[in-house]
Amino acid sequence: ILNVEQSPQSLHVQEGDSTNFTCSFPSSNFYALHWYRWETAKSPEALFVMTLNGDEKKKGRISATLNTKEGYSYLYIKGSQPEDSATYLCASVYNQGGKLIFGQGTELSVKP
Amino acid sequence: GAVVSQHPSWVICKSGTSVKIECRSLDFQATTMFWYRQFPKQSLMLMATSNEGSKATYEQGVEKDKFLINHASLTLSTLTVTSAHPEDSSFYICSASWTGEVDTQYFGPGTRLTVL
Repeated sequence: ILNVEQSPQSLHVQEGDSTNFTCSFPSSNFYALHWYRWETAKSPEALFVMTLNGDEKKKGRISATLNTKEGYSYLYIKGSQPEDSATYLCASVYNQGGKLIFGQGTELSVKP
Repeated sequence: GAVVSQHPSWVICKSGTSVKIECRSLDFQATTMFWYRQFPKQSLMLMATSNEGSKATYEQGVEKDKFLINHASLTLSTLTVTSAHPEDSSFYICSASWTGEVDTQYFGPGTRLTVL
C-alpha cells in the first residue's frame, strides 16, 4: 500500500511569516508529484506538477522543491497572507496518467 | 479555463434511497474522469476511473454495484450511490483530465452526502 504523508497537519501563522511544509512519498517507481491548494467550498487548485529530482518550481510567493531519491517535497510560502489560508495537498503518481495518491493535507491558517 | 462543476454540492437522503451526483467539464472535453471519496480526517481516496464510452475501473474494495459510474459523454460523468446507508456518508469529489494534459487533473468542488 502506497502511503503519502504530509506534515504538519495544521499550521497557524501570522501575516508576513514565511512557512514551509513537507510531503513524503514512496520513491520507488516514482513518476510525478502534484501540489494542490484547496480552499473551503472550492475546487482544489493545481499549483505544481513536478517530475525531476532537484526540480524547483515557483508561482508568486509559493515555491516547491522535489527530492525523488529520498521521497520528499517541500512547499514554501514566503510572506504569508490571509488569502493563503487553505489546505495544501500533495499527491504522488507512479505512471503517466496514473492515479493520484494523496496525503492528508496541511491546513494553513494565516492571521492578519 | 479547465473548470469542472459538480452537482449537487450537498445532499441529505434517507437510508435505502439512491443518490446521483453529476460531474461536468465546462470548457474542455474530459477523456478521463475520476471519482474520489474523503472521510473525515482522511486523504482523498480514488474510487474509480472512467474513460468516455467505457466501463469504469474500480479501485480494490469499492463495490461497483453500489457505486454506479456512467461517463456517457466527454463532458459528463455521474456517480450513483445505490441503496445508500449511513456509512456511505462522505465527501465525494470528481476530477477530469484531457488528452492534451494527461498528467493534470482538474477537480470539481465536491459533494457532501449525508445518509440518515
